[in-house]
Amino acid sequence: EAEVAQSPRYKITEKSQAVAFWCDPISGHATLYWYRQILGQGPELLVQFQDESVVDDSQLPKDRFSAERLKGVDSTLKIQPAELGDSAMYLCASSSPTITSYEQYFGPGTRLTVT
Amino acid sequence: GEDVEQSLFLSVREGDSSVINCTYTDSSSTYLYWYKQEPGAGLQLLTYIFSNMDMKQDQRLTVLLNKKDKHLSLRIADTQTGDSAIYFCAEREWAGNTPLVFGKGTRLSVIA
Repeated sequence: EAEVAQSPRYKITEKSQAVAFWCDPISGHATLYWYRQILGQGPELLVQFQDESVVDDSQLPKDRFSAERLKGVDSTLKIQPAELGDSAMYLCASSSPTITSYEQYFGPGTRLTVT
Repeated sequence: GEDVEQSLFLSVREGDSSVINCTYTDSSSTYLYWYKQEPGAGLQLLTYIFSNMDMKQDQRLTVLLNKKDKHLSLRIADTQTGDSAIYFCAEREWAGNTPLVFGKGTRLSVIA
């Protein structure tokens, strides 16, 4: 069964350092999402891509976060510099507009701890 | 804006039925979803229901939707210890392939 891949699974970094997360969506899924899940909360959208274009990044803290999906397949989310409040699970999801119910399939996530 | 509310905790005995409730505010919601998250893992899609449906059954899972009251529930029959997890309700608004809005999740504990 096709899955969304993410790496690394865990990342510990010191504040002010740079970190990057990678996501490979299910093959053929044109829409890719990055969500952030703070402990005890539900996921919240950071950025949505349709192919290589950003559709919604209104909740992305653009002074320190950046996201790209250059070839419309895999994607990278970067934080520079990391702050203590960035500690969270970063989840990638993908969906296909050809599926009328638009189910989103999630990867295993990257657990970020900023010290 | 959109808001999804869930009770935070539910404890049931193994073999009993579990009912997890959710309320939402967006009347234009089209699809409503239930996801399961085990410790340290990503979200697993369990089931979904379209807003013109009242009920959907899938093996041990039954989803009930009361669109008038904007209330969604997930019933798990014959709850097993492997069902212990956090369950998230999520909605998606009308405009096609849009992001999901999640509740805070309900932690289900199954007592053997």
